[in-house]
Amino acid sequence: AQTVTQSQPEMSVQEAETVTLSCTYDTSESNYYLFWYKQPPSRQMILVIRQEAYKQQNATENRFSVNFQKAAKSFSLKISDSQLGDTAMYFCAFMKPDGGSQGNLIFGKGTKLSVKP
Amino acid sequence: DSGVTQTPKHLITATGQRVTLRCSPRSGDLSVYWYQQSLDQGLQFLIQYYNGEERAKGNILERFSAQQFPDLHSELNLSSLELGDSALYFCASSGAFQNSPLHFGNGTRLTVT
Repeated sequence: AQTVTQSQPEMSVQEAETVTLSCTYDTSESNYYLFWYKQPPSRQMILVIRQEAYKQQNATENRFSVNFQKAAKSFSLKISDSQLGDTAMYFCAFMKPDGGSQGNLIFGKGTKLSVKP
Repeated sequence: DSGVTQTPKHLITATGQRVTLRCSPRSGDLSVYWYQQSLDQGLQFLIQYYNGEERAKGNILERFSAQQFPDLHSELNLSSLELGDSALYFCASSGAFQNSPLHFGNGTRLTVT
């Protein structure tokens, strides 16, 4: 069974600084997807970024980027130029495709990020 | 706005009761997923439906059941409720392809007293 581990329950960062959230996972699959979701106090789950395991290039979405190390089964999220609106719970998630369609997400326990002014 | 609609937003009920949570997926999405988020268990996958058929089952209790209707909306039925069932229940939907992301609704907050 796949597992996802986020070893940092809480983190804080000063506004405009850079912060990196850690995530490791365990799987015997070779084809899978990895995601970071953000859950602000409004409780909505918002997709931040995703990475296909077969792609060596790290995904980037504006201020958000990942460091995907497939051999080490590591998938960290870097947030640059942190903003107050980045304050949220961040969840790392793993998904194994189900045949030709989407599978279900397996989530880590989350990291609570606080951005301080 | 994700396009996934969940009703009701809040639900307060007593132990032993039965409730139904409703989810309307994004237009065109065939897959619906149900997740439970609690403080002690985190986010857990419950069940997935694809075009009306059950596709995958996670940590769903026997007291819980779900279905997806021909118009693709889904309902999650929770019966014989216990205090420990208090949680945030999310519905998500996705398209038919492997690279289709999951889009989450805003959740239903269930409180069992």
